[in-house]
Amino acid sequence: DIQMTQSPSTLSASIGDRVTITCRASQTISSWLAWYQQKPGKAPVLLIYDASSLQSGVPSRFSGTRSGTQFTLSISSLQPDDFATYYCQQYSDYPWTFGQGTKVEIK
Amino acid sequence: QVQLVESGGGVVQTGMSPRLSCAASGFTFRSYSMHWVRQAPGKGLEWLALISYDGSKKIYTESVKDRFTISRDNSKNTLYMQMNNVREEDTAIYYCARDSVVATGGFDHWGQGTLVTVSS
Repeated sequence: DIQMTQSPSTLSASIGDRVTITCRASQTISSWLAWYQQKPGKAPVLLIYDASSLQSGVPSRFSGTRSGTQFTLSISSLQPDDFATYYCQQYSDYPWTFGQGTKVEIK
Repeated sequence: QVQLVESGGGVVQTGMSPRLSCAASGFTFRSYSMHWVRQAPGKGLEWLALISYDGSKKIYTESVKDRFTISRDNSKNTLYMQMNNVREEDTAIYYCARDSVVATGGFDHWGQGTLVTVSS
């Protein structure tokens, strides 16, 4: 199975900060990667697909990049609504696998 | 708008065989592959299974492939997961999710989830 390793596990940040979350795949997955946001008690929401494409309706402060097997989710200016847990997920090969999650907390 | 509504969760004993359902509306259900994803309490997300738009292709993760069966009834716009011989480690929120319409993979719509608690 392809292992997805996210870092950090927890991130403390303030409103207006630029935030970066990293996800590394254990083998090449091309750009077959998505990012999700999940708030407590809610289902995940798709933010980014194909590593860098913004899902319709998602604010433009979210962006995704790829460098080899390393992927990054960035939030350009953290807003109150952005405090949540973020997951990466690969869909290059079955079983599709998720990273362990990054919780973004208020500093 | 797209809606996915899961049902069938609850407290079950180890070894029992609950069936989860996911009622879909707001889109052409028969045109989309569908998935089940679960999340154990306080843990991360685990993809479980895929079923193609017509039910001809089914893929499972190893941990459930000999115990769980994904199926669908396109005439009823409903997705199912038959869970057999459940274990305490199957305790989780179970989400149904729609295959992304724009990407090769990923899930662009999720249900609210149904909690299955397996107790001995």
